[in-house]
Amino acid sequence: GAGVSQSPSNKVTEKGKDVELRCDPISGHTALYWYRQSLGQGLEFLIYFQGNSAPDKSGLPSDRFSAERTGGSVSTLTIQRTQQEDSAVYLCASSLGGTRGYEQYFGPGTRLTVT
Amino acid sequence: DQQVKQNSPSLSVQEGRISILNCDYTNSMFDYFLWYKKYPAEGPTFLISISSIKDKNEDGRFTVFLNKSAKHLSLHIVPSQPGDSAVYFCAASGNQFYFGTGTSLTVIP
Repeated sequence: GAGVSQSPSNKVTEKGKDVELRCDPISGHTALYWYRQSLGQGLEFLIYFQGNSAPDKSGLPSDRFSAERTGGSVSTLTIQRTQQEDSAVYLCASSLGGTRGYEQYFGPGTRLTVT
Repeated sequence: DQQVKQNSPSLSVQEGRISILNCDYTNSMFDYFLWYKKYPAEGPTFLISISSIKDKNEDGRFTVFLNKSAKHLSLHIVPSQPGDSAVYFCAASGNQFYFGTGTSLTVIP
């Protein structure tokens, strides 16, 4: 079956431009997560959507970052006025339920490079 | 502040021997722990998990041990195979997931 897909796989952008990263979760998964992994670092939590509940945005590093999830399925992570420190691999994951007892299935990630 | 720590960035093991990957955490309220495996240019894939009410979970060559008093968990792979070479992340869940920085395992044929 189809796993989590992300697009684009690679994105190079100039400093100051806005970017949108897309995630298609596994059908039927109610939970969706965004992470980023900078070079040599672990996975940094960004935002978590669970069903129709208000998202947990506690991991977003600044107000330049936002995310939405339309119709409980596809999610878009938007970074406005990109900075060089935003360069990282952005990973999306989905799971059947919330954080307790459900493993996450990850997409291949989007590698963002800000020049 | 890192709530989940993997203090060994890398580990090399001979094929057929045991690989032991370690992970420490700080929050005693975590109720679920997971291990993920990551190959280059791919997203992490789930490997094995353990609930905080247990101290051991085994799945084939993979066993996870949880020591709640020490706030420590470990992943044992035996026997190790060259295809096990990857980066291994441990994660803990509470209100969200917390990941360690990963340990790169190399299994030498």
